[in-house]
Amino acid sequence: AQKVTQAQTEISVVEKEDVTLDCVYETRDTTYYLFWYKQPPSGELVFLIRRNSFDEQNEISGRYSWNFQKSTSSFNFTITASQVVDSAVYFCALSDRPGGYQKVTFGTGTKLQVIP
Amino acid sequence: KAGVTQTPRYLIKTRGQQVTLSCSPISGHRSVSWYQQTPGQGLQFLFEYFSETQRNKGNFPGRFSGRQFSNSRSEMNVSTLELGDSALYLCASSLEGQGAWGYTFGSGTRLTVV
Repeated sequence: AQKVTQAQTEISVVEKEDVTLDCVYETRDTTYYLFWYKQPPSGELVFLIRRNSFDEQNEISGRYSWNFQKSTSSFNFTITASQVVDSAVYFCALSDRPGGYQKVTFGTGTKLQVIP
Repeated sequence: KAGVTQTPRYLIKTRGQQVTLSCSPISGHRSVSWYQQTPGQGLQFLFEYFSETQRNKGNFPGRFSGRQFSNSRSEMNVSTLELGDSALYLCASSLEGQGAWGYTFGSGTRLTVV
């Protein structure tokens, strides 16, 4: 069975602080995919990053960076120099390989509030 | 290119009524998946349609159904609405074979059942 745990329910930071959102996953599959989505108040899920299980290379994209560690089953997300526009709910998700019976599991989300 | 379009954006319905939600995928995307998002249960998979066929189904009662048309647009229907059906319903489209790897989500339909 798949499971995604985002232990941080809500985080508040002051603008320009760095913040890390934690994601721990469980799966028995050897091939799987990990995602981060941002959900602003408008409701749309905005795709941020995806990784497959064979690609542990960490990534930096502007102020965003991701740390994927299979050894600890974690896929953490860091925002550097946070801004008010980063305030949103962030979801980590896990899926098995694409196909007719693909299973996608979302974490419960972390609500980030960036205070000006 | 246009994104995933969901209509309507907001709905208020009465218990016992039925409702139909619509999702128009990105042009060329033939797979449409539906999710229900509630504060208590989070994001839960409802079903996936590909080429007018339901290919995958989540653990929801039979009151939840859907269909897909030849132009890949999809509708979901909820009959005999219950208060607990109040939620944000999101759809995601993707190219054939990509599944969640290629998801693009719409802005959702917020359903309130009173």
